[in-house]
Amino acid sequence: GQNIDQPTEMTATEGAIVQINCTYQTSGFNGLFWYQQHAGEAPTFLSYNVLDGLEEKGRFSSFLSRSKGYSYLLLKELQMKDSASYLCASLNRDDKIIFGKGTRLHILP
Amino acid sequence: EAGVAQSPRYKIIEKRQSVAFWCNPISGHATLYWYQQILGQGPKLLIQFQNNGVVDDSQLPKDRFSAERLKGVDSTLKIQPAKLEDSAVYLCASRRGGGGRSSYNEQFFGPGTRLTVL
Repeated sequence: GQNIDQPTEMTATEGAIVQINCTYQTSGFNGLFWYQQHAGEAPTFLSYNVLDGLEEKGRFSSFLSRSKGYSYLLLKELQMKDSASYLCASLNRDDKIIFGKGTRLHILP
Repeated sequence: EAGVAQSPRYKIIEKRQSVAFWCNPISGHATLYWYQQILGQGPKLLIQFQNNGVVDDSQLPKDRFSAERLKGVDSTLKIQPAKLEDSAVYLCASRRGGGGRSSYNEQFFGPGTRLTVL
């Protein structure tokens, strides 16, 4: 089966760095996604990791450790527009994508 | 390329009524997903199609929900009869798949249909 865990809410300050953690248990694991979702909108793709390590994309980076069943999304130089929910999702070899409950990130000025 | 299309965007019905949602995925995307997202929660997978075949529908309440993907392109999701707890956003997503490149694995979402059951 597939199970995803991530914190429900986090708060950070504009200009700071925040790390959102995600742990997963997935049979036939084939990759880990991070999505951003603003209120009232559909999720938008941020990253996909299938190999161990850190992938950087501008202000956002995503890390994966397959042996630990662990990933994190790192957001640098936080901006007010980064206030959103961040969804961790795992992909298995049957192309099934299961989402966690999401982490609501609040950015304070 | 055009994105995933969904209609209607909003629907209000009374309990025990029926409703249907339509999704047109990105051209060439073999895998299509329907998710239910209740306010404040992550998307919950209802059903997954590979072309016109069902891959997973273990979380679909089959006594009231049905879905089909005729000809492996468009898909419809139906609820009959609706209950109050079906109030949610119904998201359709598609994915090219096939492994390898990140771009093949990215899942694209439509704008969703917001259903309110009174």
